[in-house]
Amino acid sequence: KNQVEQSPQSLIILEGKNCTLQCNYTVSPFSNLRWYKQDTGRGPVSLTIMTFSENTKSNGRYTATLDADTKQSSLHITASQLSDSASYICVVRGDSNYQLIWGAGTKLIIKP
Amino acid sequence: DTGVSQNPRHKITKRGQNVTFRCDPISEHNRLYWYRQTLGQGPEFLTYFQNEAQLEKSRLLSDRFSAERPKGSFSTLEIQRTEQGDSAMYLCASSYDRRNTEAFFGQGTRLTVV
Repeated sequence: KNQVEQSPQSLIILEGKNCTLQCNYTVSPFSNLRWYKQDTGRGPVSLTIMTFSENTKSNGRYTATLDADTKQSSLHITASQLSDSASYICVVRGDSNYQLIWGAGTKLIIKP
Repeated sequence: DTGVSQNPRHKITKRGQNVTFRCDPISEHNRLYWYRQTLGQGPEFLTYFQNEAQLEKSRLLSDRFSAERPKGSFSTLEIQRTEQGDSAMYLCASSYDRRNTEAFFGQGTRLTVV
């Protein structure tokens, strides 16, 4: 069964600290993996898209990694800011045009 | 604002009433998706359009749900005879017709059925 699992479910860190969010997937065939940031009550906003051949991709303070062999991805946030408080959702696209398999997300809270 | 636009942002309706939501995608995008999201969960796929053609519908989309994209531009999602279980955030996204292109989401329509 195609699934995306994220950990931890929630995370609280102090402003300025780094953190890493995990994503494991069983989607096959694999097309790409995306990380989205979703503020409460808002639509998701794309952070990165990674294809099979990409291992690392950065977007400012966000760095995503992908290990297609072990089917694992991580999102590392450096020097966290209060505005980073949001849900971070890992999404894996299978082979079809619409098949985006969504994780349940990690709820990140940054405290001052 | 040239992003994906959804209207209304919030809708409160009585059980049994019909509701209609609208999505205006980014103008060059020919793919349009509808998702439903409940609290604490990731979005669930509802349906997908390529231009005006509705190419796929999730089994979550019961016969009370209907979506249209008559001219391949904006789309509407109608829910007939609403039930309390329909309360959720309804998200619309659009993208180009290319495999590894990102989908841009609207702000969503929050539906509350009382």
